[in-house]
Amino acid sequence: KNQVEQSPQSLIILEGKNCTLQCNYTVSPFSNLRWYKQDTGRGPVSLTIMTFSENTKSNGRYTATLDADTKQSSLHITASQLSDSASYICVVVDKLIFGTGTRLQVFP
Amino acid sequence: SAVISQKPSRDICQRGTSLTIQCQVDSQVTMMFWYRQQPGQSLTLIATANQGSEATYESGFVIDKFPISRPNLTFSTLTVSNMSPEDSSIYLCSVPQGARGYTFGSGTRLTVV
Repeated sequence: KNQVEQSPQSLIILEGKNCTLQCNYTVSPFSNLRWYKQDTGRGPVSLTIMTFSENTKSNGRYTATLDADTKQSSLHITASQLSDSASYICVVVDKLIFGTGTRLQVFP
Repeated sequence: SAVISQKPSRDICQRGTSLTIQCQVDSQVTMMFWYRQQPGQSLTLIATANQGSEATYESGFVIDKFPISRPNLTFSTLTVSNMSPEDSSIYLCSVPQGARGYTFGSGTRLTVV
């Protein structure tokens, strides 16, 4: 069964701290995966895309990794800011299968 | 990247009524997608809207309940018909942007009472 599972479901961290969000997928065929940020009441916005041949990609304070062998991806946020509070969604683009998201709350 | 204007942003509707959600794109796109995001759930694809042909619905979604119009390459509507409280959800449209992925509308938060 094609699935995208994310963990943790929710996460609370203090401003300035780092955090890592996980995404496991069992989707085939697979060629690329995207991480989206969804602010409350808004549509998702793309953060980064990972193709099956890429291991790491950075976009500012966001760094995504991909291990196509274990079918895992992670999103690492460095030096978190209050504006990082949002849901982060992992999507396997080939079949448009969305993970349930991780809700991140950054407190001062 | 494309800019999508989605309306309304939110609405509270009586059960049994219908609501039509609009998405206007600032550029021509061949495909538009409609999603539902129920509370605490992931985005679920409802249907793919192609200009000049009937929409393609995903399993569990039917045209009678979610009729879609796509009169041109920049506009689409999704109607949620004969609403019940179970239809309370966020509805989003999106368009593919090639290597940039998908651009989403800002969403319509629907509450059915």
